[in-house]
Amino acid sequence: NAGVMQNPRHLVRRRGQEARLRCSPVKGHSHVYWYRQLPEEGLKFMVYLQKENIIDESGMPKERFSAEFPKEGPSILRIQQVVRGDSAAYFCASSLPPTGGALKKLFFGSGTQLSVL
Amino acid sequence: DQQVKQNSPSLSVQEGRISILNCDYTNSMFDYFLWYKKYPAEGPTFLISISSIKDKNEDGRFTVFLNKSAKHLSLHIVPSQPGDSAVYFCAADNNDMRFGAGTRLTVKP
Repeated sequence: NAGVMQNPRHLVRRRGQEARLRCSPVKGHSHVYWYRQLPEEGLKFMVYLQKENIIDESGMPKERFSAEFPKEGPSILRIQQVVRGDSAAYFCASSLPPTGGALKKLFFGSGTQLSVL
Repeated sequence: DQQVKQNSPSLSVQEGRISILNCDYTNSMFDYFLWYKKYPAEGPTFLISISSIKDKNEDGRFTVFLNKSAKHLSLHIVPSQPGDSAVYFCAADNNDMRFGAGTRLTVKP
């Protein structure tokens, strides 16, 4: 049952280090989304990617955050020089390509809990 | 920008009664509205959806109502069961999917 796989489940970093979060989408899905959930808050959209292409990164902080979804391999969310405020659960979701007006259903991974010490 | 709002952070109901979760949105361009359910330490899972051209969609104990003029939708669960206890996220889709802050539902036995 190859759903969305995220790793690691838990990641601990010290301030100033880099965090790399991985997401393997459902087999056959070419679209990936990253969301962040801060404690006691909802899911905040970060970025929407297609293979080798960023479709919408309007939710990404301007600095330190980047995302990619290469032709081969998982999608990576990279946070450089982490700060305590980056501590959150990061969820990845995938979907089939949207087909003109049809419902787009997202399948979520179990998330990566990032803790910055 | 908070395009999708869930103003009630929590809701508690008795088993067997109706649970009503509410959601408001601001962007009239949304094509679809969805509800996701999330248990602790798991990712959200899809529950039910409704197209913007409909005003009601029913799936077993779950019914979603859409009022486009009021930019409001609601999820009804009846009868509520203890296993329904979870966080429910409202989402709206127009190319990008935007989520509300979630409502934590507790169904008491």
